[in-house]
Amino acid sequence: QQQVKQSPQSLIVQKGGISIINCAYENTAFDYFPWYQQFPGKGPALLIAIRPDVSEKKEGRFTISFNKSAKQFSLHIMDSQPGDSATYFCAARALSGGSYIPTFGRGTSLIVHP
Amino acid sequence: GAGVSQSPSNKVTEKGKDVELRCDPISGHTALYWYRQSLGQGLEFLIYFQGNSAPDKSGLPSDRFSAERTGGSVSTLTIQRTQQEDSAVYLCASSLVQGATTGNTIYFGEGSWLTVV
Repeated sequence: QQQVKQSPQSLIVQKGGISIINCAYENTAFDYFPWYQQFPGKGPALLIAIRPDVSEKKEGRFTISFNKSAKQFSLHIMDSQPGDSATYFCAARALSGGSYIPTFGRGTSLIVHP
Repeated sequence: GAGVSQSPSNKVTEKGKDVELRCDPISGHTALYWYRQSLGQGLEFLIYFQGNSAPDKSGLPSDRFSAERTGGSVSTLTIQRTQQEDSAVYLCASSLVQGATTGNTIYFGEGSWLTVV
């Protein structure tokens, strides 16, 4: 049973374009939603995270949009650069009780062409 | 070191042999996680240690898999009688104490790539 569904599995965009990755969750106990970025041969690293009390969080070119009623959240990468080429994972955790163990999506392989 | 350290970085083993993978978490981090990453399968949770509490082993795929954490620091993941389907990258991660008021960033190591031939 996949608690966090991520799409698309792969994404190709041109330099300067917008990359959008979507995730949907089922467990309403989740209350912390991080995104991780993983380069080949490296471990995932936290990119940006959001709590459900806000609908959007922006850090530089990266923005998370959160829709609590739809139980969906997405990562937008503005002005995508070749250096953004990596695998992106969304995740969800329940900080307030329940399990603190993050559940990850299956990942999106992003390629940004120069 | 400053980050999560894992060893070996690469391991090739014959089917049926036992393997041990080691993780050194960030100093002071009480929470430690093991995940398995297979191609196209994302990050599969294996086991979680938090302080002196009993570990959460709910993600271990079979009784061939076990893990321990000694002295609240270093952890070893052991796979007995390895099978080809065990081939994957095994990622260790650590974080500070869990709490309801903080996000507690999880820091991953670079992983141990296991190939069973």
